[in-house]
Amino acid sequence: GEDVEQSLFLSVREGDSSVINCTYTDSSSTYLYWYKQEPGAGLQLLTYIFSNMDMKQDQRLTVLLNKKDKHLSLRIADTQTGDSAIYFCAEGPSGQNFVFGPGTRLSVLP
Amino acid sequence: EAGVAQSPRYKIIEKRQSVAFWCNPISGHATLYWYQQILGQGPKLLIQFQNNGVVDDSQLPKDRFSAERLKGVDSTLKIQPAKLEDSAVYLCASISAGSYEQYFGPGTRLTVT
Repeated sequence: GEDVEQSLFLSVREGDSSVINCTYTDSSSTYLYWYKQEPGAGLQLLTYIFSNMDMKQDQRLTVLLNKKDKHLSLRIADTQTGDSAIYFCAEGPSGQNFVFGPGTRLSVLP
Repeated sequence: EAGVAQSPRYKIIEKRQSVAFWCNPISGHATLYWYQQILGQGPKLLIQFQNNGVVDDSQLPKDRFSAERLKGVDSTLKIQPAKLEDSAVYLCASISAGSYEQYFGPGTRLTVT
């Protein structure tokens, strides 16, 4: 079945770049997504990439997609303390549904 | 544009009691999703509606969970009777026709004691 995997924790220093990685299994997914979840809040759509693209840049965010290896990454440049949150990778829609990874908890150290 | 609204934000009940959650999607969004997010995990789909019809409820524990979206706008999710393992955040999300951008509400945190 469909599966999305992520490393669970990442710690970086303020001002450094963060790279969050994700692998997925469903090659028929149309889009790959990155969501951010802060404590006590719902998921906020950060960015997404169409499956036939290799890269997408949006201000401090860069998404890289390696479709052959089914690998997705999110790079956050100049990471700030406000970027501390849980980041979810998701694939979809497959049919009409989305499959989420377990989330990567990003801690930004001053 | 108003976002996805959910209520209540928090609920504490004892096992075997009943509970209901409400969701009002973004205006005009035809597709509505209910997800269960257990602590430390990603959201897991429970049910998907297209207007007032069910598209996918294959992962909904139908012996205790039910959901409806009678007029194709707001939706309710009910658990009866609740079990300890139902403790989670219940997230509602919506998406407009032809779009691939899913928007989430703030969630309802359920604690079953």
